[in-house]
Amino acid sequence: GENVEQHPSTLSVQEGDSAVIKCTYSDSASNYFPWYKQELGKRPQLIIDIRSNVGEKKDQRIAVTLNKTAKHFSLHITETQPEDSAVYFCAASTGFQKLVFGTGTRLLVSP
Amino acid sequence: SQTIHQWPATLVQPVGSPLSLECTVEGTSNPNLYWYRQAAGRGLQLLFYSVGIGQISSEVPQNLSASRPQDRQFILSSKKLLLSDSGFYLCAWSVGLNTGELFFGEGSRLTVL
Repeated sequence: GENVEQHPSTLSVQEGDSAVIKCTYSDSASNYFPWYKQELGKRPQLIIDIRSNVGEKKDQRIAVTLNKTAKHFSLHITETQPEDSAVYFCAASTGFQKLVFGTGTRLLVSP
Repeated sequence: SQTIHQWPATLVQPVGSPLSLECTVEGTSNPNLYWYRQAAGRGLQLLFYSVGIGQISSEVPQNLSASRPQDRQFILSSKKLLLSDSGFYLCAWSVGLNTGELFFGEGSRLTVL
């Protein structure tokens, strides 16, 4: 089955810096790659996703890139703000909603 | 608008006791429903999913079970809890097969002593 690895497990940055979180997946049939943000004590929420027919997608300060050949995808957050502090999860799916999640990255943005 | 509720929010149970976590969705019909478990350092693990009433698929063999007695109701159960069942359980729903977005409930924190 699908296996998703995510790193780093913890990432500390200064406000205004960029943050990059990377994930690799094992199943070449995976075609959907979402990213979820979970603030402390709250439920995970989708922040951005990308499908296998697209190499990059941006939404304001957030961008996701996908390299199907290497089977990895990354989340890029620019101009980080303290409210970006949270746990971020990547995931991969081969189709019918069988999302396999990474182990999460705790992002700490210091003022 | 669609909403999802799960309860109880917190539960402390002794080893060997039964478990029942309930989840309901409002504002949508025939949702895909899911139970995830979140353990520290292990991400979100899919336990069960359901595409319709009475249709349950298990992703991980364990002493937990799930049922969907109504279209928008999803229940996670156990007859005898183990210490390893402790964790944060999240119910989620999605609409279609292609949108992909999961909408999570508030979560239920289970501690087995």
